[in-house]
Amino acid sequence: AQSVTQPDIHITVSEGASLELRCNYSYGATPYLFWYVQSPGQGLQLLLKYFSGDTLVQGIKGFEAEFKRSQSSFNLRKPSVHWSDAAEYFCAVAGNTGFQKLVFGTGTRLLVSP
Amino acid sequence: GAVVSQHPSWVICKSGTSVKIECRSLDFQATTMFWYRQFPKQSLMLMATSNEGSKATYEQGVEKDKFLINHASLTLSTLTVTSAHPEDSSFYICSARGRLGVIANTGELFFGEGSRLTVL
Repeated sequence: AQSVTQPDIHITVSEGASLELRCNYSYGATPYLFWYVQSPGQGLQLLLKYFSGDTLVQGIKGFEAEFKRSQSSFNLRKPSVHWSDAAEYFCAVAGNTGFQKLVFGTGTRLLVSP
Repeated sequence: GAVVSQHPSWVICKSGTSVKIECRSLDFQATTMFWYRQFPKQSLMLMATSNEGSKATYEQGVEKDKFLINHASLTLSTLTVTSAHPEDSSFYICSARGRLGVIANTGELFFGEGSRLTVL
């Protein structure tokens, strides 16, 4: 079964600084990988996803993520963080056979300081 | 993009009562819907998968008699928390996937806004 690890519970970044959120997955083959963002009391919004092809994936709001098979990682990055990026970020994985259910990581809470 | 709506967005009820949460796909037909539960400051835990017209498939440890899921149409799934207790207080989120060949091909799930249940 697939699993996801987000090692950072909290991260604080200064506004304008770069951001990298870590995500490691466990799956026997190449999985489908996702990053979602959740604002307080809200549902989830998809930032980006990786299925195959180019390992560097561009998403909405200026985010990107890179799939590294050798490291079983799918880290999320943004070159310049805005105060509105403060939220909870979830990495998720789904198996690539029939795409049934997502398994989520524990999430990383991003705080943006002035 | 596709829109999934949940109702109510928040509900407070007395212990022992039942609460129904609706999940609707507004602009697409959702053949599969997923129900998640999220405890404060924790991740989403899949509770069950429901396919239109068939019984829901529950994850291990989820009481099917406690959390009744009905997916009676291609645009509506409901989660009923029966005889609710304070420990059932949580944030419940649904997600939906469309028919194969439409939205499902992208592998994307569309999430509702969530429903916060507080049981007194």
